[in-house]
Amino acid sequence: AQSVAQPEDQVNVAEGNPLTVKCTYSVSGNPYLFWYVQYPNRGLQFLLKYITGDNLVKGSYGFEAEFNKSQTSFHLKKPSALVSDSALYFCAPLHGSGNTGKLIFGQGTTLQVKP
Amino acid sequence: GAGVSQSPSNKVTEKGKDVELRCDPISGHTALYWYRQSLGQGLEFLIYFQGNSAPDKSGLPSDRFSAERTGGSVSTLTIQRTQQEDSAVYLCASSLLAGGPETQYFGPGTRLLVL
Repeated sequence: AQSVAQPEDQVNVAEGNPLTVKCTYSVSGNPYLFWYVQYPNRGLQFLLKYITGDNLVKGSYGFEAEFNKSQTSFHLKKPSALVSDSALYFCAPLHGSGNTGKLIFGQGTTLQVKP
Repeated sequence: GAGVSQSPSNKVTEKGKDVELRCDPISGHTALYWYRQSLGQGLEFLIYFQGNSAPDKSGLPSDRFSAERTGGSVSTLTIQRTQQEDSAVYLCASSLLAGGPETQYFGPGTRLLVL
């Protein structure tokens, strides 16, 4: 079965510190991996995606993610957190071979950045 | 440019009534997706319109749910004989192309409450 796991329900960091939001996945074929962010009462905003190539993917708002094939992980990172980064983050692999269009969403991780 | 728009933003209905939710994708986007976000089930895929091909309806939870996309643009998700468990936020997304690791851009969602 294809799945995604975000092991932490909540991550707390102080403003200015680096942050990591963890994600592991299980999919068949080549993994296509996405990160989205959701602010309160808003839709999902695209942050970044991994398709192929460089394992370090850079995205919006200073976020980046590292693809690790051997560990089947795609952790989201940011060198210096901002209070405005506080939101709900979703890791989402594309189902199957990538032609299905279905994103598989994890339960999400709430990021809390404190001043 | 304009993003994905959805209407209504909020809908309260009585159990047993039918509801229609509307999605206007980004102009020129070929593919359109519906997802549902609920407390119990998280974010789950419902249906995927992939250009001129037959839609992938594999995520629709029951035959009370249906969707159509007219003229390759606007889509309507219809829920017949609503039940309380249908209460959720219904999210629509669109992507430029169908198939492959296309970025899906989400609308703000319709919050449905079934009393």
